[in-house]
Amino acid sequence: EAGVVQSPRYKIIEKKQPVAFWCNPISGHNTLYWYLQNLGQGPELLIRYENEEAVDDSQLPKDRFSAERLKGVDSTLKIQPAELGDSAVYLCASSPRQGSYEQYFGPGTRLTVT
Amino acid sequence: AQSVTQLGSHVSVSEGALVLLRCNYSSSVPPYLFWYVQYPNQGLQLLLKYTSAATLVKGINGFEAEFKKSETSFHLTKPSAHMSDAAEYFCAVSDRGGTSYGKLTFGQGTILTVHP
Repeated sequence: EAGVVQSPRYKIIEKKQPVAFWCNPISGHNTLYWYLQNLGQGPELLIRYENEEAVDDSQLPKDRFSAERLKGVDSTLKIQPAELGDSAVYLCASSPRQGSYEQYFGPGTRLTVT
Repeated sequence: AQSVTQLGSHVSVSEGALVLLRCNYSSSVPPYLFWYVQYPNQGLQLLLKYTSAATLVKGINGFEAEFKKSETSFHLTKPSAHMSDAAEYFCAVSDRGGTSYGKLTFGQGTILTVHP
């Protein structure tokens, strides 16, 4: 069974530029999460989807961050414009169903903003 | 809100020695608890979870953790460290219900170094 796929794995951009990250969850997993992981810290939830509905986006900085999950499968997380402080690893995870406590993580996208 | 504290950002042990990584949670109601491992440039992998009455939980790679309600702790142990155990370990907590059902809150992580 394929795991959670994320791309790109690494991205370097200049500040004020836009950037997008893509996530393909494990087949059949209805719940999808985006996390932000700063260096030396644990992941922090940005947004959680149940199918195509964002059920928890309270931690998403909506002035510059946006996300979508069309058709309830793949998801895209976008930052526009990027700031220096956005440099971090962006992790995607999926769960088989709502409320499942087992989350399967992708390898992440390491973003560097210069 | 749930929170979890991992004591010690770095732990160093010799190969073959006991591994002990500490985790304490704050919650008025016993939550669900998890340990994840993260190898360099990889995502997090679930080691073990506590979601039932069994307070001693066995996970993968020889790790286990004991839920102690009186101490609000969920420390991770392994009797004999192996070089391949070198990684970063995260303790996480989740509410059992309510609007945060299934939402994980992570600790800051503990980097485990294993030396020959």
